[in-house]
Amino acid sequence: DTGVSQDPRHKITKRGQNVTFRCDPISEHNRLYWYRQTLGQGPEFLTYFQNEAQLEKSRLLSDRFSAERPKGSFSTLEIQRTEQGDSAMYLCASSPWGEGKNTEAFFGQGTRLTVV
Amino acid sequence: DAKTTQPTSMDCAEGRAANLPCNHSTISGNEYVYWYRQIHSQGPQYIIHGLKNNETNEMASLIITEDRKSSTLILPHATLRDTAVYYCIVRRNTGNQFYFGTGTSLTVIP
Repeated sequence: DTGVSQDPRHKITKRGQNVTFRCDPISEHNRLYWYRQTLGQGPEFLTYFQNEAQLEKSRLLSDRFSAERPKGSFSTLEIQRTEQGDSAMYLCASSPWGEGKNTEAFFGQGTRLTVV
Repeated sequence: DAKTTQPTSMDCAEGRAANLPCNHSTISGNEYVYWYRQIHSQGPQYIIHGLKNNETNEMASLIITEDRKSSTLILPHATLRDTAVYYCIVRRNTGNQFYFGTGTSLTVIP
């Protein structure tokens, strides 16, 4: 399967710990997105990359959150000093991008974070 | 990107067509209508998108009104596996993120 892959699928951590999630996009996609989803809500945008450049960050992305895509391929999302309010599903998506291209995003299965 | 309005929930009998409406009265000329669905505990799944012509693929049909202010996603023969939350999103093809609302929760009833 060459879809978007996220790891781990589930993470339980104690409040105050740091966690890191990984996303492997579809190989030829140059855009990569991170979203967060809490129970009963639609996914909320966090940030996106065009190749290795982080082009936009939502105000939801506090200074405890950092995302990287060092070589324009896989990406990591780190949360420092986790809080109970960080408990959510973290979704990664990728898409082609450019004029004349279909730019629909394809999502991974998500990483479910529980902060206890 | 324009905002969309969808009913909170809908039911559909198994085997019948499911018609999911979406209003996007402030849509701009260069904005597409995208549909995604999300089955419980999974990531959103792309269904279909269109600009102004009706579109059909193996999953669904998308009917866009002539004034483009509303659209309908049609699942021609709903199955129990189509039970999901369906999101209607309006976005430029070269737009940035996809804005998800709260979508329509479709329940297919046996």
